[in-house]
Amino acid sequence: DIVMTQSPDSLAVPLGERATINCKSSQSVLYSSRNDNYLAWFQKKSGQPPRLLIYWASTRESGVPDRFSGSGSGTDFTLTISSLQAEDVAVYYCQQYYSSPYTFGQGTKLEIK
Amino acid sequence: EVQLEESGGGLVQPGGSLRLSCSGSGFSFNDYWMSWVRQAPGKGLEWVANIKYDGTEKNYVDSVKGRFTISRDNAKKSVFLQMNSLRAEDTAVYYCARLESYFRYWGQGILVTVS
Repeated sequence: DIVMTQSPDSLAVPLGERATINCKSSQSVLYSSRNDNYLAWFQKKSGQPPRLLIYWASTRESGVPDRFSGSGSGTDFTLTISSLQAEDVAVYYCQQYYSSPYTFGQGTKLEIK
Repeated sequence: EVQLEESGGGLVQPGGSLRLSCSGSGFSFNDYWMSWVRQAPGKGLEWVANIKYDGTEKNYVDSVKGRFTISRDNAKKSVFLQMNSLRAEDTAVYYCARLESYFRYWGQGILVTVS
């Protein structure tokens, strides 16, 4: 199984500042023949279903504000929120869909400082 | 508009059974793999099972193999999760999700409590 490890576990950032969440996979999730990284990012708020933010490691989902961006390749990935807004308080998860079982990171709790 | 709606959750004793249903609308149901994902209280997200669009392929996380069965009825635009031999650690909110490589659409979730 591919193990996904996020860092940090929690993060407090002032409003308007940059927030960065890292995700590392135990093996590459890059499908080299397609040059696609099978990596997604989700936002999870209490009482709501997960919301897809980013897929293929860097493609922003329709309707997601452009302050959210994803980067990385192979085993190391980053979710960046360029200017933190109050509504971004949530837990963020990375997830690999390269191989079954599809595994999630442990989550990063993002708060306002 | 794509919509997924789960039903069938509730309270069950350890060792008991429960069947979850998920009804899909707003898309061609029989064109997509479907999945169940769960979140235990205070824990992270865990993928549980997948089923191919025609029902011919199914995958499970190790912790539910032999106890849970995923199935679908494309005529009714529904996917099911039969959960047997339930354990306290199966207590979670269960989400139905449409799989298109990644999980784009999710239901609101249904709570299953094993106690």
